[in-house]
Amino acid sequence: EVQLEESGGGLVQPGGSLRLSCAASGFIFSNYWMYWVRQAPGKGLVWVSRIYSDGSSTYYADSVKGRFTISRDNAMNTLYLQMNSLRVDDTAVYYCARASVDRIMGYYHYYMDVWGKGATVIVSS
Amino acid sequence: EIVLTQSPDFQSVTPNEKVTITCRASQSIGSSLHWYQQKPDQSPKLLIKFASQSISGVPSRFSGSVSGTDFTLTINSLDAEDVATYYCHQSSSFPYTFGQGTKLEIK
Repeated sequence: EVQLEESGGGLVQPGGSLRLSCAASGFIFSNYWMYWVRQAPGKGLVWVSRIYSDGSSTYYADSVKGRFTISRDNAMNTLYLQMNSLRVDDTAVYYCARASVDRIMGYYHYYMDVWGKGATVIVSS
Repeated sequence: EIVLTQSPDFQSVTPNEKVTITCRASQSIGSSLHWYQQKPDQSPKLLIKFASQSISGVPSRFSGSVSGTDFTLTINSLDAEDVATYYCHQSSSFPYTFGQGTKLEIK
């Protein structure tokens, strides 16, 4: 069964750091791009970051650029999100998601097809 | 940044009703628009990919269509288990974005 399981969430003070992990199973992790998406309490979904299958390229939302770092360990089938300089508005459930790909008219197009259950991050003093 | 605007924000529905949710993109995104269902305290679930492509295991009452930059999710004959919040999402260009969500509740 294809599964993603986040861990590492918790309560942290403003300015603090936290590292989330996402353990993948049931598929060849090293073949897939991966994403982080977050959802503040009672709010909608917000894309946070993307990493290539080999880790060679990363991309971030402006709101986290310079503070968050996405990485992966393909040997351990694990995705990470290092979060530094945390702010109160980073409080959210953080989901990892797998990116599958379809080839349409000669181009590769990606979509999120599998999501984890989420890890809760609370930034508060 | 591509803005996705969903309508309505909220809808009160009855079982067996036909429900239509729309998502308008602020610029052309081709067919790179996907629909997700999120039930309370659960993670999002993929319903439709690339505007109109069905997903294995998703009930056939869910369908999608597109006209230009207007995308539609249709639920034919709503089941009580379909009560959830629905999000559209574009993967045409970074930063990826989501619509604000449409919450369905039973009347």
